[in-house]
Amino acid sequence: GQSLEQPSEVTAVEGAIVQINCTYQTSGFYGLSWYQQHDGGAPTFLSYNALDGLEETGRFSSFLSRSDSYGYLLLQELQMKDSASYFCAVRDKGRRSNYQLIWGAGTKLIIKP
Amino acid sequence: DTEVTQTPKHLVMGMTNKKSLKCEQHMGHRAMYWYKQKAKKPPELMFVYSYEKLSINESVPSRFSPECPNSSLLNLHLHALQPEDSALYLCASSEAGTGYQPQHFGDGTRLSIL
Repeated sequence: GQSLEQPSEVTAVEGAIVQINCTYQTSGFYGLSWYQQHDGGAPTFLSYNALDGLEETGRFSSFLSRSDSYGYLLLQELQMKDSASYFCAVRDKGRRSNYQLIWGAGTKLIIKP
Repeated sequence: DTEVTQTPKHLVMGMTNKKSLKCEQHMGHRAMYWYKQKAKKPPELMFVYSYEKLSINESVPSRFSPECPNSSLLNLHLHALQPEDSALYLCASSEAGTGYQPQHFGDGTRLSIL
């Protein structure tokens, strides 16, 4: 079957660095994306990795290792507003790959002062 | 605020009612999506429209009926829903080309079935 694994909850301190891991098992693979969703809000696109390596966007970075079927989202200089759920999602190969994502269950990030 | 607008934000309806959810975007996106999201779960894809044509129907019960009147609008018609259909319904849009296209989500309609 196809599945993505990510921790259900991560707790960190304001100003610190936190890493949210995602391992995937899919029949094909085009890329790994990350979305952020605050309670009661809309999912918001954060990043997409199709190739191995680190992509940096401000305080957020995303990493991919295709050989390990593994990626992570790195959040630096944590702020209280970063408290949210973070979803990894794989774009699988196939006729629907332009539109259909396979989603992880989400990681709830709790930031403490 | 998001660039994808959904109305209403909240909806309570009985199992015999007929109602519609509406979604609008003005980003020129030619792919539009309906998702269902239960609490503490990821979004679950229901339908995808590409260039105003239904592209994906994820075996959704016929009590949910999507409609795409034009490239900016997406509707979801609801009829004879069940209590288990209570959820957050999210609309999203994206470019329709090949390659990865980030999806832009609306804030959703929180639906409660009595």
